[in-house]
Amino acid sequence: DAGITQSPRHKVTETGTPVTLRCHQTENHRYMYWYRQDPGHGLRLIHYSYGVKDTDKGEVSDGYSVSRSKTEDFLLTLESATSSQTSVYFCAISENTVGYEQYFGPGTRLTVT
Amino acid sequence: GEDVEQSLFLSVREGDSSVINCTYTDSSSTYLYWYKQEPGAGLQLLTYIFSNMDMKQDQRLTVLLNKKDKHLSLRIADTQTGDSAIYFCAEKQGAQKLVFGQGTRLTINP
Repeated sequence: DAGITQSPRHKVTETGTPVTLRCHQTENHRYMYWYRQDPGHGLRLIHYSYGVKDTDKGEVSDGYSVSRSKTEDFLLTLESATSSQTSVYFCAISENTVGYEQYFGPGTRLTVT
Repeated sequence: GEDVEQSLFLSVREGDSSVINCTYTDSSSTYLYWYKQEPGAGLQLLTYIFSNMDMKQDQRLTVLLNKKDKHLSLRIADTQTGDSAIYFCAEKQGAQKLVFGQGTRLTINP
């Protein structure tokens, strides 16, 4: 998985609780992304980062915030989890290479009860 | 963003060729990608093609791009049981964003 780890790998939480997911990379890539994967929707971009402290929204950013204080770490926070945020969350990284390829982490399965 | 469409399921016999199709709508896309996802795993980049190319071949994989019809296909020759997975096409939109199709689940029959 191109030097990308995600933690935790599985989490069950209750509605209304805050949750933070962590993505850690050892590739020193500039760009980092958070996606969610749901049946029938493929992957949808939540937020992305183009450098330390530089982030922007994706197509499904409502209810999520992100932070990037170091090149290697990108955090995704659900301030108050809802059942609609039950999903599998993937982190990805990329660099300004010829194909702008994105490489994905193993995913975090989050269940909100 | 613009939509990327794929059929949801494909079933082939072991040893046959598999062809997975994808249509996209953003004519300004510069790169298109194929990813493979095995159960419980992340997405593995298989290959990508630049929009000024018609075809790209990499061992058993052949990617065809028809830019006029905005149609992308992935052909897997001599399909094996290890090819069972979900295959996603994606297009690059803007500076760094990828837009994904829903994924095609490939099933191999013995």
